[in-house]
Amino acid sequence: GAVVSQHPSRVICKSGTSVKIECRSLDFQATTMFWYRQFPKQSLMLMATSNEGSKATYEQGVEKDKFLINHASLTLSTLTVTSAHPEDSSFYICSARDQEVSQETQYFGPGTRLLVL
Amino acid sequence: GENVGLHLPTLSVQEGDNSIINCAYSNSASDYFIWYKQESGKGPQFIIDIRSNMDKRQGQRVTVLLNKTVKHLSLQIAATQPGDSAVYFCAETISGNTPLVFGKGTRLSVIA
Repeated sequence: GAVVSQHPSRVICKSGTSVKIECRSLDFQATTMFWYRQFPKQSLMLMATSNEGSKATYEQGVEKDKFLINHASLTLSTLTVTSAHPEDSSFYICSARDQEVSQETQYFGPGTRLLVL
Repeated sequence: GENVGLHLPTLSVQEGDNSIINCAYSNSASDYFIWYKQESGKGPQFIIDIRSNMDKRQGQRVTVLLNKTVKHLSLQIAATQPGDSAVYFCAETISGNTPLVFGKGTRLSVIA
């Protein structure tokens, strides 16, 4: 099946710093990737849809200047948490679609755990 | 936003028994549904999917049932094993390039 990787798997940073998370589709091209956020014991909440070569579409309540998304190639999307604060600590998960297989099925990465001190 | 104080519902089953996990989806226009399994500290793993033109689909040890009238989805796991212990999420979408929307999730605990 389609494989999606994320890097790093976990990161600890100081408040006020920026953190970049990478999402890669390893064996397929993904014109669309998605970024989710998950708090402990809760469901995944969609943050934004990342489209290759164009601006990301953010969900209501998600600050685009806070969570910068770049999808520069068909296999890589990045999420940068700018000026991170403790409340940004969460589990960030990306997903990608292999549109040659299905327009709907999303394959998920292993997630990145962010802890902001 | 953050839902402070919410806890995942938990289903505890004996090893070898069948499990049924339920999900109420929100959008009557949704026509594609997926069940995902999420183990602690990992990303969701695809289990099985179903389109709205079907009411039942079977996989290996799993069956998904769809009732569009009451917007209800269920996942049946036969002969539940300890390795099935995880959180299970249903997700819905409308065909085309729209993102998946996830349900609240259910924690399945298998008692050996």
